[in-house]
Amino acid sequence: DAKTTQPPSMDCAEGRAANLPCNHSTISGNEYVYWYRQIHSQGPQYIIHGLKNNETNEMASLIITEDRKSSTLILPHATLRDTAVYYCIVREPLILNNNAGNMLTFGGGTRLMVKP
Amino acid sequence: SQTIHQWPATLVQPVGSPLSLECTVEGTSNPNLYWYRQAAGRGLQLLFYSVGIGQISSEVPQNLSASRPQDRQFILSSKKLLLSDSGFYLCAWSVRDSYEQYFGPGTRLTVT
Repeated sequence: DAKTTQPPSMDCAEGRAANLPCNHSTISGNEYVYWYRQIHSQGPQYIIHGLKNNETNEMASLIITEDRKSSTLILPHATLRDTAVYYCIVREPLILNNNAGNMLTFGGGTRLMVKP
Repeated sequence: SQTIHQWPATLVQPVGSPLSLECTVEGTSNPNLYWYRQAAGRGLQLLFYSVGIGQISSEVPQNLSASRPQDRQFILSSKKLLLSDSGFYLCAWSVRDSYEQYFGPGTRLTVT
């Protein structure tokens, strides 16, 4: 399964864009890139996912390089409530009794601190 | 709408005591279910996953076990807790072949 590399921590000023990088140089052709975040003492929250094309939703934008070896999560206007650990994950296929499950392995993530 | 419940929210147990954490999902049928653990200052570690009643797969050898007695019920157990079992335990579910997992509120376990 493809592994990811993220910086352990980043700071961002409130109201500015937060750009969180992720390297996944061993990603295979059918693997998706997911982003989750975990606010302190809460369960992880799904943010966005993508395969090849850039994606945008109400929470964030995901930019995936053409070779798919890295990606960037963009929070366009960071707020104090965006302070959390952000996990970049590559989907691992799970096959059990011919039923494909969705197994995600979380690494260390990036601790984003949004400052006033 | 779908919801996922975990209990208890917090638990303090002595070393050597048994453990039972419960997770239930409402509003969906035949979900994939997962147990994760997050030790202090570390990322999430997948412990068990299940694609159906009675079907459990373990990701790492450990002092814990899991069971799925009903379609939407997932239980994490231990016969004798170790200090190293302390952590934040999260249950999650996903729709078959979906790309999103939904997490419960978690149980914070402290083994003393």
